[in-house]
Amino acid sequence: AQSVTQPDIHITVSEGASLELRCNYSYGATPYLFWYVQSPGQGLQLLLKYFSGDTLVQGIKGFEAEFKRSQSSFNLRKPSVHWSDAAEYFCAVGAHSSNTGKLIFGQGTTLQVKP
Amino acid sequence: DGGITQSPKYLFRKEGQNVTLSCEQNLNHDAMYWYRQDPGQGLRLIYYSQIVNDFQKGDIAEGYSVSREKKESFPLTVTSAQKNPTAFYLCASEIGTGGTEAFFGQGTRLTVV
Repeated sequence: AQSVTQPDIHITVSEGASLELRCNYSYGATPYLFWYVQSPGQGLQLLLKYFSGDTLVQGIKGFEAEFKRSQSSFNLRKPSVHWSDAAEYFCAVGAHSSNTGKLIFGQGTTLQVKP
Repeated sequence: DGGITQSPKYLFRKEGQNVTLSCEQNLNHDAMYWYRQDPGQGLRLIYYSQIVNDFQKGDIAEGYSVSREKKESFPLTVTSAQKNPTAFYLCASEIGTGGTEAFFGQGTRLTVV
């Protein structure tokens, strides 16, 4: 069965420091992979997505992610974190069984940014 | 502006009552989804619809019902059979099926009082 694991429930970084949020997936074929961000009480906004091609994808707000098939990972990175990046981040994989196209989400990582 | 609108933003329900959450999209998307979000559990799929007049159960459909009479609308009813309905509910839509990109509404927070 398809699944997504985000090993870190909560991460705290200092403003200006680099960030890496981990995501591991289990999927039988080449997955579609996504990172979403959610501010408190709000919906989810797409940061970036990987469908095929270059394994390093660039997203909005200075984020990037790298698809590593051998490690079944799709980690999110940002070179320098801003206070406004504090939010909850979700990794998701597109599931194509039975042509549903539904997304399966990880449990989320809450990012806190220290001044 | 195109987007997904969920209403109301906050909803209170007495135990034993049914309540309906609204989700409307003007993106001309075929697929629509309802997710439930609880702290520390990520998003869990309740129901999804790939086309008008058709929908399928997700992972946690018990106690919920939906309809898809129009392409733009996908209302979710939380019935009295749902034992723990207090949660944040998110509606999403997608241009097709196949894991493209889902667009989300702003959510409805339902509280049972």
